[in-house]
Amino acid sequence: DVKVTQSSRYLVKRTGEKVFLECVQDMDHENMFWYRQDPGLGLRLIYFSYDVKMKEKGDIPEGYSVSREKKERFSLILESASTNQTSMYLCASSLPRLAGGHNEQFFGPGTRLTVL
Amino acid sequence: EDKVVQSPLSLVVHEGDTVTLNCSYEVTNFRSLLWYKQEKKAPTFLFMLTSSGIEKKSGRLSSILDKKELFSILNITATQTGDSAIYLCAVGGSQGNLIFGKGTKLSVKP
Repeated sequence: DVKVTQSSRYLVKRTGEKVFLECVQDMDHENMFWYRQDPGLGLRLIYFSYDVKMKEKGDIPEGYSVSREKKERFSLILESASTNQTSMYLCASSLPRLAGGHNEQFFGPGTRLTVL
Repeated sequence: EDKVVQSPLSLVVHEGDTVTLNCSYEVTNFRSLLWYKQEKKAPTFLFMLTSSGIEKKSGRLSSILDKKELFSILNITATQTGDSAIYLCAVGGSQGNLIFGKGTKLSVKP
């Protein structure tokens, strides 16, 4: 079974702090994704990565950066946390896109981040 | 701009009812449409649809895609309380990422 793990289930930080959210997958997937999920807004893509050291901006990259130094690990960084970044953060991984469609994304359990 | 719209946003039914969840989309270079179920934690995959008119089925759940009218439906028959969840529709374009709708929150009452 694919397993995607996230470093914390719950995290409380203060405004201005630097925050690292870690995601690790154990199935040798090339693609990894970071989303945030907010009530009424659904899942919104922050950043994704097709390979080590590669990254692409999603729909809402402002205020975030990412790092992919190893294939199995994709980190989301909040350089200076703000209260509007309080949210549920979900990491996902998948194999590369199929010629005829998309491989399913496997999700981690999520990190609920509160910024005070 | 690519978008995925789900309806209704929330739905309350009683056990045994049949429900239909809707997903319409506008995506450049459509490749596939995926349905996920999200209970308390991570979304879990249900179906991927790429071809019009071919129904995917798993137990009491089924889904079909209409590429001409740009929508998909997810049917759940004989609903149970365990079906209570948020159902997410996602569409993949020419890149590897998925565009998610806001989800439909289904509550099944005993």
